[in-house]
Amino acid sequence: QQQVKQSPQSLIVQKGGISIINCAYENTAFDYFPWYQQFPGKGPALLIAIRPDVSEKKEGRFTISFNKSAKQFSLHIMDSQPGDSATYFCAASMISAAGNKLTFGGGTRVLVKP
Amino acid sequence: DAGVTQSPTHLIKTRGQQVTLRCSPKSGHDTVSWYQQALGQGPQFIFQYYEEEERQRGNFPDRFSGHQFPNYSSELNVNALLLGDSALYLCASSFKAEQFFGPGTRLTVL
Repeated sequence: QQQVKQSPQSLIVQKGGISIINCAYENTAFDYFPWYQQFPGKGPALLIAIRPDVSEKKEGRFTISFNKSAKQFSLHIMDSQPGDSATYFCAASMISAAGNKLTFGGGTRVLVKP
Repeated sequence: DAGVTQSPTHLIKTRGQQVTLRCSPKSGHDTVSWYQQALGQGPQFIFQYYEEEERQRGNFPDRFSGHQFPNYSSELNVNALLLGDSALYLCASSFKAEQFFGPGTRLTVL
């Protein structure tokens, strides 16, 4: 019940295009859903996060769409740039006094071609 | 404001040895979590420390232990190293929901 499934494993997009990454979760107790960007040899960097009380959140070129009934959420990268080439991870957590461990998806490697 | 820092950057050990990794959280953060990231996979939660106590633990054996100090910095200890412990070890600090990761320590077990 703690799994987060992410797809696709990799994708190639042309510069200026839209990258779309999808995640599905099982545990309905999850109440915080962040996305991280990771470059080779670096730690994951927090990009954007959403709570289940909203269906969409936008920050710059990055948008999270959230579908609570389907237990799915997705990341859209608009106007993709070569500098966006990285691995993206979705994650989920249940925030409580007992802790807020993150459960990660398997990652999506994004390559933006110039 | 320095972000999350970890030391050392790289480490090479042999099977059966013990290792200690260190983490300093972002200023103002009181919670430290540790994750293990194998090559090509997502990070896996090891444990989380808050107020110098282990608050939450993932599915890792007792060979993995930790500590949090009064200044909120933390250590991860791994005993009796196995080849399968080779990975990037990530520390994340947080105050509320958002967790910020350090650059990681790359551990290689030979």
